Amino acid sequence: SQKIEQNSEALNIQEGKTATLTCNYTNYSPAYLQWYRQDPGRGPVFLLLIRENEKEKRKERLKVTFDTTLKQSLFHITASQPADSATYLCALGALTGGGNKLTFGTGTQLKVEL
Amino acid sequence: ETGVTQSPTHLIKTRGQQVTLRCSSQSGHNTVSWYQQALGQGPQFIFQYYREEENGRGNFPPRFSGLQFPNYSSELNVNALELDDSALYLCASSSDSGVHTQYFGPGTRLTVL
Repeated sequence: SQKIEQNSEALNIQEGKTATLTCNYTNYSPAYLQWYRQDPGRGPVFLLLIRENEKEKRKERLKVTFDTTLKQSLFHITASQPADSATYLCALGALTGGGNKLTFGTGTQLKVEL
Repeated sequence: ETGVTQSPTHLIKTRGQQVTLRCSSQSGHNTVSWYQQALGQGPQFIFQYYREEENGRGNFPPRFSGLQFPNYSSELNVNALELDDSALYLCASSSDSGVHTQYFGPGTRLTVL
């Protein structure tokens, strides 16, 4: 069955450092992958989308890579700030037979400390 | 531009009851997806509506049903509520049913006692 794995343990880093979050998947061939940020009690907020034929995408301090051979995406936040503390969700997208369906991982909690 | 809104914010029901949750999509969006998020888990896809038609469904029983209206707002109905239905219900809208960013609402927190 399809499985998406994100670090279940919280990631604690110091302000100014680069945070790297991992998303691994099995039994899935996604057309695209997205990263979302979610704060407690709120809906996910879209950050970046990368398609299967793209290797890397950047947006300001954010960078995402997508390796369909390794079945892995890495999400980087450079020069991290306490305001970056949140849960980050990886979501894989498929277009076949079921609309624009997203399959989410369980998320990784990031805590940026002063 | 108005974002995605959902109502109510919180809801408490008892087992066996029925519930209707509402979602107004972002201006210009014709596709609405519904997700269920249990505590500590990622959102799980329930179904998607595109131009008033169901356009894909996840592994949820038929007691989860929906509607999309001509103005592209949507409802999620859940019959015969069970304790495990307690979750955050999220609505997301997008400008089409293809590869487009989904914009999520704040969610409705449903508690079933």
